[in-house]
Formats: sequence, C-alpha cells, structure tokens
Amino acid sequence: EIVMTQSPATLSVSPGERATLSCRASQSVSSNLAWYQQKPGQAPRLLIYGASTRATGIPARFSGSGSGTEFTLTISSLQSEDFAVYYCQQYNNWSGTFGQGTKVEIK
Amino acid sequence: EVQLVESGGGLVQPGRSLRLSCAASGFTFDDYAMHWVRQAPGKGLEWVSGISWNSGSIGYADSVKGRFTISRDNAKNSLYLQMNSLRAEDTALYYCAKGVDPIAVAGTRFDYWGQGTLVTVSS
Repeated sequence: EIVMTQSPATLSVSPGERATLSCRASQSVSSNLAWYQQKPGQAPRLLIYGASTRATGIPARFSGSGSGTEFTLTISSLQSEDFAVYYCQQYNNWSGTFGQGTKVEIK
Repeated sequence: EVQLVESGGGLVQPGRSLRLSCAASGFTFDDYAMHWVRQAPGKGLEWVSGISWNSGSIGYADSVKGRFTISRDNAKNSLYLQMNSLRAEDTALYYCAKGVDPIAVAGTRFDYWGQGTLVTVSS
C-alpha cells in the first residue's frame, strides 16, 4: 500500500499570509495526486488534481506542484474561508490512499 | 448543481447489517462510476468501494471485501452499499462520491461528495 504522509499536522497562519502544505508518497505516484479541502461538518471538496490542475471553480490562490513522491499545496494569500483541513490523495494505484490531513488554523 | 444525498445510517450491533443509499441529481448519473468513501470519527479518509457506470466492474477495499456489496440503479439515479457482518471498526461517516469517468472503480479521484451518513457499530 502506498502511504501518504502530510506535514505539518497543524499550520497556524494569519489571514493574508501564504500557506505551504506538504504531502509525501512512500513510492512514486507520478502526477496522480489530488488535494481536497474539508471544513467542519462539510464534505470534502476537490481543489487540485493531476498534482497541479485546479478543479472547476477553485480560486487561483490555490496552486499545486510536485511529481513522483513530493507534492506541495500553496495558498498564496489565506482568506477566512480557507481555514480548514486539507487532504492529499494518490490515485496512482488501486487503493487510492489519503494522507492524514493538515489543519490550517488562524494564527 | 450536482447533489449527492446519503441515507440509511444509524446505530447497529456488531455482526448485523445495514444498507446505505445515495440519491444523485444534477448530472447524468449513468455516465460516471460512483464510490463510497468513509471517515472514522476524528480520522482521515478511506476509499471503500466503487462501481462502474453499468455495474460491469466493481472494486472493494481489502478491509470490507466479502462483507460489503456495492450496487446502483441507473433508472433511479441511486447508489447503494449493503454492509453485512459489521464491526466496530466500520464506525464512520460514509460519503457517496462521484468519480470522474465511467470506468474507474478504484484508484481515482472524486469531484463531488455528499454530506455523508453516520454508521455506528456498537453493542
């Protein structure tokens, strides 16, 4: 099974600042990597797929990069609505495993 | 607008059964594979099962294989998950999720999710 490891577990950021979230795969997943945002009591929302392609309706302040085993989600200028938990997911193999999430909280 | 509405969750004793349903609207249901993904309380996400557009291909996570059965009714725009021999570790919020193509029953991403239905397995 491919293990996805996200860091940090919690990221404290002030509104307007940049947030950088990391996701590492235990083996190469090529560019088959997605990022999701989940707010309390809500379903996950697809943000990024193919490691760097924004999903429909996702603001340009969200960007993804990386390939192979190292990936990054960057939120260029945090808005109040961006405080949430972010999950990465590899879909390069059958199990489609998720990371444990990074909580972005208000500093 | 894509909507996925799950139902059927509840409190059930270990070893018993439960059937979840998902009503879909806002897209052409039989153009896409559909999936169930779960989230244990305070934990991360785990893909459970997927089914192709015509039910011709089905996939399960090892943790539920042999106990859970996924199905769909395209005439009713509905997805189902029959859960048998339930265990405490199956306690989770179960999400219905839309795949991005007709065929992939596993190893894929999900572009829309429902709000989930809570399954609690406890004596």
